[in-house]
Amino acid sequence: QVHLVESGGGVVQPGTSLRLSCAASGFTFSTYAMHWVRQAPGKGLAWVAHLSHDGIHKYYEDSVKGRFTISRDNSKNTLYLQINSLRGEDTALYFCARGHSIYGSAPNMDVWGRGTTVTVSS
Amino acid sequence: QSVLAQPPSASGTPGQRVTISCSGSSSNIGTNSVNWFQQLPGTAPKLLIYSNNQRPSGVPDRVSGSKSGTSASLAISGLQSDDEADYYCVVWDDSLLGYVFGPGTKVTVL
Repeated sequence: QVHLVESGGGVVQPGTSLRLSCAASGFTFSTYAMHWVRQAPGKGLAWVAHLSHDGIHKYYEDSVKGRFTISRDNSKNTLYLQINSLRGEDTALYFCARGHSIYGSAPNMDVWGRGTTVTVSS
Repeated sequence: QSVLAQPPSASGTPGQRVTISCSGSSSNIGTNSVNWFQQLPGTAPKLLIYSNNQRPSGVPDRVSGSKSGTSASLAISGLQSDDEADYYCVVWDDSLLGYVFGPGTKVTVL
C-alpha cells in the first residue's frame, strides 16, 4: 500500500530551524518527484517546494526561497524539508505529496501524507 | 491576492449539480493542466481530477472536470451530504516557476 508519513514538526521559537521528514513506502520512491505543501490554520493549501526524482531540479514558492531547502535520500525512501529562520507565518500543517513518475504512470499529487504540524511561537 | 480565482463558496441541495470555477491566466491554466482536490475537515487533500478532466480510480463519474482557455471547472452532480468539503484547483505557473493553488471553494449541501 502506498504510504507517506511526515514527521519532525513541533513548537519552535522564531529564528530557529527545523527539519521535516517524509517517509515513503509501497512504491519506487526514486522514480517519483515529490512536493511539500502547507496549510496555515484555517487557511487554504499553499504549495511550498518541488524536487525531481533524482534530487537535481528544485523549485520553491517565492516567499520561502533562501530559507527552505528540499532534499531527498533515495536510499532511505525519505524526503526532507529544512526550514531555517522560522517565522510566525510558517506556522502550518506541512504535507508531503507524490509528484509525477518518470514513467508517466501516475498523476501529479495523487498521494498525500497526513501532515506534520509546525508552530512558531515565542 | 491569489494567482488563481475560485468562488469562496458554492451550495446545492441533495441531488443537484454544483460547478466550481478556477480562473487563471495564459502562464498557468492557459498552458498547463489542472488538478482538483477535495479536502474534508481535518484530513489530507484527496485528488479528484488530474490533467483537467481525468478521474483517478475510485472517484465516481458524477465528478467531472473541464478546461477552456484560461479557466477550469469542477462539476459534482447528484450532490450528496458527504460532498460537503473544501475544493482546490492547482496548476503549474510558467512565470512563477512553481505550482499555485486556488484559494479554495467551500461546498455546502443544503
